[in-house]
Amino acid sequence: EVRLVESGGDLVQPGGSLRLSCSASGFTFSDYSMHWVRQAPGKGLEYVSGISTNGGSTYYADSVKGRFTVSRDNSKNTLDLQMSSLTTEDTAVYYCVKGSSSFAPSDAFDIWGQGTMVTVSS
Amino acid sequence: DIQMTQSPSTLSASVGDRVSITCRASQSISSWLAWYQQKPGKAPKFLIYEASSLESGVPSRFSGSGSGTEFTLTISSLQPDDFATYYCQQYYSFPTFGQGTKVEIK
Repeated sequence: EVRLVESGGDLVQPGGSLRLSCSASGFTFSDYSMHWVRQAPGKGLEYVSGISTNGGSTYYADSVKGRFTVSRDNSKNTLDLQMSSLTTEDTAVYYCVKGSSSFAPSDAFDIWGQGTMVTVSS
Repeated sequence: DIQMTQSPSTLSASVGDRVSITCRASQSISSWLAWYQQKPGKAPKFLIYEASSLESGVPSRFSGSGSGTEFTLTISSLQPDDFATYYCQQYYSFPTFGQGTKVEIK
């Protein structure tokens, strides 16, 4: 079974940092682009970040550029998102997402994790 | 970035109805369009890719059409399990999503 499991979501103060992780199983992780998509409470979907198959290329939405860093470890089948300088605008459910191909960031997203909640509040 | 606009924002329909949702791109995206279904408290589910190709396991009552800037998701006979919010997404360039269309019970 293809599966993505996120962890690391928490309540954090404005200006703080947080690291999200995603553990993948059931497919050849190194063959696919991987991405993060978020959804603020009651809102739509927003693409956050993506990474190429070998981790050599990374992509970010303007809203997080310079604050978030995506990385992957193909030996451990894990995807991470390091978030810093968090603001209340970053409050959302963060989904780990598998690309349907090896292309990043321009890809469709065929497998989604269950999501992890990040709340930025004082 | 390419902007995606869905219409309507909300659609009220009954079981058995044929429903259609439109997604328009701010510039041509060829056929690089996907559709997702999301139920409350759940992750989105991948339905359609390349505008009209049905993902494995998705019921055949779902279909997609269009190319360029205008696309349509059609559900041929609405079932109780189909009441949800639907999103389009372009992947011609940096990914962007439509704002969503909620399909609710009439």
